[in-house]
Amino acid sequence: QQQVKQSPQSLIVQKGGISIINCAYENTAFDYFPWYQQFPGKGPALLIAIRPDVSEKKEGRFTISFNKSAKQFSLHIMDSQPGDSATYFCAASVSGTYKYIFGTGTRLKVLA
Amino acid sequence: NAGVMQNPRHLVRRRGQEARLRCSPMKGHSHVYWYRQLPEEGLKFMVYLQKENIIDESGMPKERFSAEFPKEGPSILRIQQVVRGDSAAYFCASSPTRSSISSDTQYFGPGTRLTVL
Repeated sequence: QQQVKQSPQSLIVQKGGISIINCAYENTAFDYFPWYQQFPGKGPALLIAIRPDVSEKKEGRFTISFNKSAKQFSLHIMDSQPGDSATYFCAASVSGTYKYIFGTGTRLKVLA
Repeated sequence: NAGVMQNPRHLVRRRGQEARLRCSPMKGHSHVYWYRQLPEEGLKFMVYLQKENIIDESGMPKERFSAEFPKEGPSILRIQQVVRGDSAAYFCASSPTRSSISSDTQYFGPGTRLTVL
């Protein structure tokens, strides 16, 4: 019940296309859902995060869509660029428990 | 404002040696978390510390692993008698005092890549 399932494992998108990464969870107590971007040899960097009181959050080319009833959330990268090529992790946490449960990651490659 | 700092960035140890990984949180942050990332896998929570206190160590192996966050100085993750299976990237994250809604956000350091020969 503590798992966060992430898909796809890898994704190839043409430059200018939309990249979509999905995550699903079981624990209804989760109430904070961040997305992290990680380049090879680097630490994860926070991209965008959402709480379940909103269904969508947008920051620049990055959008989180959240479906509370389905217990799913997704990251959309609009106008994908080669510089977006990285591994993306979704995560979930319960406020007050302090630890993130991470998905297994999606390796995105954007072709020039 | 410097980010989370970790050192060393790369550490090579032979089986049976000790590994010490250090983490300095962001300025103003009093909460430190350690995660382990095996190759091609996601990050797994290990331990959560505040100054001089271990709050949650549910992800720490029961033997050989320990962590501390002293009143002065960085947080230390210590692995005694390392084995090949300990080879991984170890990431430290920090967050501010949990007095605001933004305190759920964790900021990660660049990691220490441990290789056990």
